[in-house]
Amino acid sequence: GGIITQTPKFLIGQEGQKLTLKCQQNFNHDTMYWYRQDSGKGLRLIYYSITENDLQKGDLSEGYDASREKKSSFSLTVTSAQKNEMAVFLCASREGDTEVFFGKGTRLTVV
Amino acid sequence: QQQVRQSPQSLTVWEGETTILNCSYEDSTFDYFPWYRQFPGKSPALLIAISLVSNKKEDGRFTIFFNKREKKLSLHITDSQPGDSATYFCAASASSGSWQLIFGSGTQLTVMP
Repeated sequence: GGIITQTPKFLIGQEGQKLTLKCQQNFNHDTMYWYRQDSGKGLRLIYYSITENDLQKGDLSEGYDASREKKSSFSLTVTSAQKNEMAVFLCASREGDTEVFFGKGTRLTVV
Repeated sequence: QQQVRQSPQSLTVWEGETTILNCSYEDSTFDYFPWYRQFPGKSPALLIAISLVSNKKEDGRFTIFFNKREKKLSLHITDSQPGDSATYFCAASASSGSWQLIFGSGTQLTVMP
């Protein structure tokens, strides 16, 4: 089995701050995803990557940047944190059309 | 524009009843439809999935019924248990190269004892 590790688990930022979330997977999966989940809501796709150095925008990419410098890692940057923003950011990975595995999430609070 | 729609938004059933959760999609290139279950405070985990080649997929008490012509799916949970209380997400992806995985907004299920 493998694991997806997201860091940090909790992130508190200030309005306007640039914040970076990191994700590592040891499944050796090609495809990785970043989703945002607001409280009680569904998962919205921010960015995904089908291989190292590839980036594809999801429906929610505005306000975010992503980077896939290695196959095993995928980072997400909030370019300017919005005041009172609160959400969980979930990283996921898969191989082809097989099961998607999720990390435990990074909980973001902006004060 | 929501590509994957789910209904109802929330549902309460009694223990032992059959739960039916609905999902529909728009993009004709979608060919893989997993259902994920998320317990409070946890990450989503795969429950059951179906591809375009099947009309039905069964795993224990969980069955997906797939109407390809109408682009509709439903997840049936027979003999619903309080432990089934969770949020259920329908998702869709296309194997034609993009691997984008789109989730619906979820159905929050409560099973009363």
